[in-house]
This record gives sequence, structure tokens and C-alpha cells, in this order.
Amino acid sequence: DAGVTQSPTHLIKTRGQQVTLRCSPKSGHDTVSWYQQALGQGPQFIFQYYEEEERQRGNFPDRFSGHQFPNYSSELNVNALLLGDSALYLCASSSRVLSYTFGSGTRLTVV
Amino acid sequence: ELKVEQNPLFLSMQEGKNYTIYCNYSTTSDRLYWYRQDPGKSLESLFVLLSNGAVKQEGRLMASLDTKARLSTLHITAAVHDLSATYFCAVDLNTDKLIFGTGTRLQVFP
Repeated sequence: DAGVTQSPTHLIKTRGQQVTLRCSPKSGHDTVSWYQQALGQGPQFIFQYYEEEERQRGNFPDRFSGHQFPNYSSELNVNALLLGDSALYLCASSSRVLSYTFGSGTRLTVV
Repeated sequence: ELKVEQNPLFLSMQEGKNYTIYCNYSTTSDRLYWYRQDPGKSLESLFVLLSNGAVKQEGRLMASLDTKARLSTLHITAAVHDLSATYFCAVDLNTDKLIFGTGTRLQVFP
């Protein structure tokens, strides 16, 4: 039973570019949440998707957007990248909450 | 706004010693999680505490939750080098999103 799968594992982008990160949830999970973890800090909630809709959102600008597909997989898009967007992006899946499974993350470096 | 604070932020301890990491949060919640993170890696779930007075133990780690005091503790017994990592607590306000603490970086030396 596969856990949460994220791709790519690493990528480097230039300021102003756009990036798409992908997440496949654990089997049986229908909710996907995205977190940003800057170096040396705790993860911060970006947004959550359930039934293909954004259910709630953290304190992140509109440059951060997402999508959930009918198979529950999800994408995180970031436009107009800034140096400060460099971080580890974590995807967590859950079902009826109480337990979250995190993926291995995507390390984004903006230069 | 919910705030989650951990202390200490950094802990250097000798193998075989005991210590406790504290997690305080500012708003009532009865759902608290502990995670371990190795450098450059993702979050590994350690404990899920879902009620006042909950206590869970796994190996040398024991976690407890006091919802009235808004406090959770992670106790380390007879530390070993393999426990070296960063430990995070996270609170869920029944909103299905986790608010993480600042993290405690634990280093265990011989």
C-alpha cells in the first residue's frame, strides 16, 4: 500500500517563473493538504482540497493555487516565484482526519 | 490566532539521560500530534493524542496531553544517538489543518 507520493523531489527555478508540484495521496485518503516548510522552521499550512474544491486556506498570497483531481491527487502551483518561496513543500493526505500521512516533500530552490 | 510554542528549541543531551520537551498552545484543543523529522526528510508521525489525559508510549518516547493546561510533553527516557532529530508538535483546532510548533532540535551525544 503506497503512502503519499510527491514529485519532483527537487527542482531549481528562476525568480519570476512558475512551478507545479504534484501529490498522490495514500490509498483510501480523499483529502490533501499542502504545507510550506522554510529552512529551520515548522511547516505552515497553505491550503486543503477535498472533493476537488479548496476547503480552507492559510495565510498565503494568491500566487499559490492548487487543484484536486477526481482520483484525489493534487497539484500546487506557484506563480511569479520569489526567492522567499524556496522551501520544502509537503503534501499530507487524510480521510476523516485524526491521522495525517505526509509525503517525502519537494525541495524547491528559487535562484 | 492559535500559537504553538515548543521549548527548548535546541537540546543537546548525553546518551542515557532523560529529558522532556514541552509544547504549549494558546487555544483549547484536544487534538495534538507529535512528529519527528530527520535532516532533509519528511515528517514521521510519532503520536496522536485525542483527549485530555491521553498518554502514549513507543520505545524510549512517551507523550502526554493536558488540554486544561494546553500543554503536551514528549518525554525521552535513556536517550540514544538514533533519537537525534527535530521534533515537532502540531495542534488541530478541529479545522482539519495542523498548526506546528517551532520544533525542538535534539542532539544526543555519547
